[in-house]
Amino acid sequence: EPEVTQTPSHQVTQMGQEVILRCVPISNHLYFYWYRQILGQKVEFLVSFYNNEISEKSEIFDDQFSVERPDGSNFTLKIRSTKLEDSAMYFCASCSEGLGQPQHFGDGTRLSIL
Amino acid sequence: GENVEQHPSTLSVQEGDSAVIKCTYSDSASNYFPWYKQELGKRPQLIIDIRSNVGEKKDQRIAVTLNKTAKHFSLHITETQPEDSAVYFCAAITGTASKLTFGTGTRLQVTL
Repeated sequence: EPEVTQTPSHQVTQMGQEVILRCVPISNHLYFYWYRQILGQKVEFLVSFYNNEISEKSEIFDDQFSVERPDGSNFTLKIRSTKLEDSAMYFCASCSEGLGQPQHFGDGTRLSIL
Repeated sequence: GENVEQHPSTLSVQEGDSAVIKCTYSDSASNYFPWYKQELGKRPQLIIDIRSNVGEKKDQRIAVTLNKTAKHFSLHITETQPEDSAVYFCAAITGTASKLTFGTGTRLQVTL
């Protein structure tokens, strides 16, 4: 069964540094998402991406965040200048169509900001 | 925006008993309601979903019910097993970009 893959599985970064989290969505999927989960809390929506542009973003997704689909397979989340509160598990998800279709999650990247 | 409430936050049942987790949502336009199971340190895994044109759906030991009028939906797990122990999240999809709004999670513990 095809899966969403994410790299790295764990990223440790100094505060103020830039990080790029990478995702390879399922190949025939058209909608891509980033979510984050602070330890012990619920999963929170960050951003959705369709047709090479952002469809929607949450309040969390401020100017320090950006997403990109640099080629036909990768989908990246960049945090320009990390803060301590960015420490969380970041999940990428994808689905084949829009409203009302299952979203499939990757294994996540655990981001630790020191 | 959409708000999803989930209860209880923790649930302990004996093996073989049933477990019920309840969620309410606020946006009447939401029309897709998935349930995810998350084991410690792992990805949320879709276990069952229901669309707003259906009142109930069952898959082996798992069932979900939806009451659109009351804006609540529930997960039912029968004949629970130790491997059912995990955190369960309900979610609702709203908006054109289909973002998931998650509930706060229920930690289910199935004891022997």
